[in-house]
Amino acid sequence: DQQVKQNSPSLSVQEGRISILNCDYTNSMFDYFLWYKKYPAEGPTFLISISSIKDKNEDGRFTVFLNKSAKHLSLHIVPSQPGDSAVYFCAASDGGGGSNYKLTFGKGTLLTVNP
Amino acid sequence: GAGVSQSPRYKVAKRGQDVALRCDPISGHVSLFWYQQALGQGPEFLTYFQNEAQLDKSGLPSDRFFAERPEGSVSTLKIQRTQQEDSAVYLCASSLGSGLSSYNEQFFGPGTRLTVL
Repeated sequence: DQQVKQNSPSLSVQEGRISILNCDYTNSMFDYFLWYKKYPAEGPTFLISISSIKDKNEDGRFTVFLNKSAKHLSLHIVPSQPGDSAVYFCAASDGGGGSNYKLTFGKGTLLTVNP
Repeated sequence: GAGVSQSPRYKVAKRGQDVALRCDPISGHVSLFWYQQALGQGPEFLTYFQNEAQLDKSGLPSDRFFAERPEGSVSTLKIQRTQQEDSAVYLCASSLGSGLSSYNEQFFGPGTRLTVL
C-alpha cells in the first residue's frame, strides 16, 4: 500500500515555463514533507520541505504548497531551467513517537525541461 | 570527505553469495540510514543508527540482511545468501542530529547498485 503517491511518472516543460509536480499521501499522521531531486548515478539531494502547520514554503524558484484536507502537496518551479531536469521524489515523515527520521518516498517524477 | 561516500559503486553477485556494502557518512553526523531503491521505485527505509546503536531495523526485509556501525562512524550492510529480488540500489544517508524529536536533513550517498544473477 503506497502511502505517498506520485501519479505522474514523467513531465516535460519548456524552459522558462512553470513546472508543477504533484504528490498525494494517505497517512494522516504525516506531519513533515520534503522534496528531493535526483540526477542519474547520484544520491537524492534535499530541495525544499514544509511542515504540516504551514500551507506554503518558498525558496527562490521553488515553492511547495500543502493542502492537508486533500492530503496533497505540489512543487512549483518557476522559471524552469534545463538544469532542473532530474527525478523528483516526494517524501514524508511521521513525527509521532519520535520517528521523524523515517522517510516514506513516492516513486518519483522525471522532469525534463526542454531548451 | 565533503559528502557521504559508498563503496563499491557497483556489485555483481551470484545468487547465494554474501555481499558487504560500505558507507562512510559525513564526519560528525550522529545518524545513519540505509535505504533500498528497487528499479522504478522510490527509496525504502531499511534501518537507522544513532551513533553505534541500531535504533530501528523495522525495514530490513529478512534475516539475511544485517547492518552494523560498530564505532559510530562507518557502517556496513551485509546481505547473506543473496537472491535475485535483492537486486536494487542501496542508499546510505547521514544526518547531524538524531531525527527523533524533529526532522534533521538527511544527506544521501551515491548508492551501491547490486545486481544478483
